[in-house]
Amino acid sequence: AQSVTQPDIHITVSEGASLELRCNYSYGATPYLFWYVQSPGQGLQLLLKYFSGDTLVQGIKGFEAEFKRSQSSFNLRKPSVHWSDAAEYFCAVSGTYKYIFGTGTRLKVLA
Amino acid sequence: ETGVTQTPRHLVMGMTNKKSLKCEQHLGHNAMYWYKQSAKKPLELMFVYNFKEQTENNSVPSRFSPECPNSSHLFLHLHTLQPEDSALYLCASSRTSGGVGGVDEQFFGPGTRLTVL
Repeated sequence: AQSVTQPDIHITVSEGASLELRCNYSYGATPYLFWYVQSPGQGLQLLLKYFSGDTLVQGIKGFEAEFKRSQSSFNLRKPSVHWSDAAEYFCAVSGTYKYIFGTGTRLKVLA
Repeated sequence: ETGVTQTPRHLVMGMTNKKSLKCEQHLGHNAMYWYKQSAKKPLELMFVYNFKEQTENNSVPSRFSPECPNSSHLFLHLHTLQPEDSALYLCASSRTSGGVGGVDEQFFGPGTRLTVL
């Protein structure tokens, strides 16, 4: 069955520190993979997506993610976190006709 | 307006009320979706419409009734809801609802925060 796992429910980092949010997926073929961000009271905004090709993808707001087929992972990274990055982050895999979302990781940024 | 809009942003209703949520997309997309977002749960896909035709009903109770009059508008009619239906209801759209290659990028509205008393 297709699934997405985000092992970390909450992560706290200091402003300026690096960030890595983990995402593991289960899917029978090469998936389409996405990272979305949701600020309080808002809908989801796409940060980046992987369809094929270069396994390191760049997104908006300085985020990047690396697709590792051997580890079934698609971890999100940012070299230096800003206070405005505090939000909830969702990883998703696209099946044939629908998305499957992870449960999200809530990021807290300390000043 | 651009993107995906949803109205109302907040809604409080009693269990015997009837209300409707509205979603409109200005992106020229052909697929629209309703999701339910509850605390500590993954996003739950409720309904999918592709070219105005419902292609997915994810075992949603009949007290939720979707309507898609055209590719730009999507409604969710609510009646006789339960307190456990309180959640953030998100609408999304995409170019198509997929196929062998998977689903396109989805664009989300800001959601309607629903509270059922």
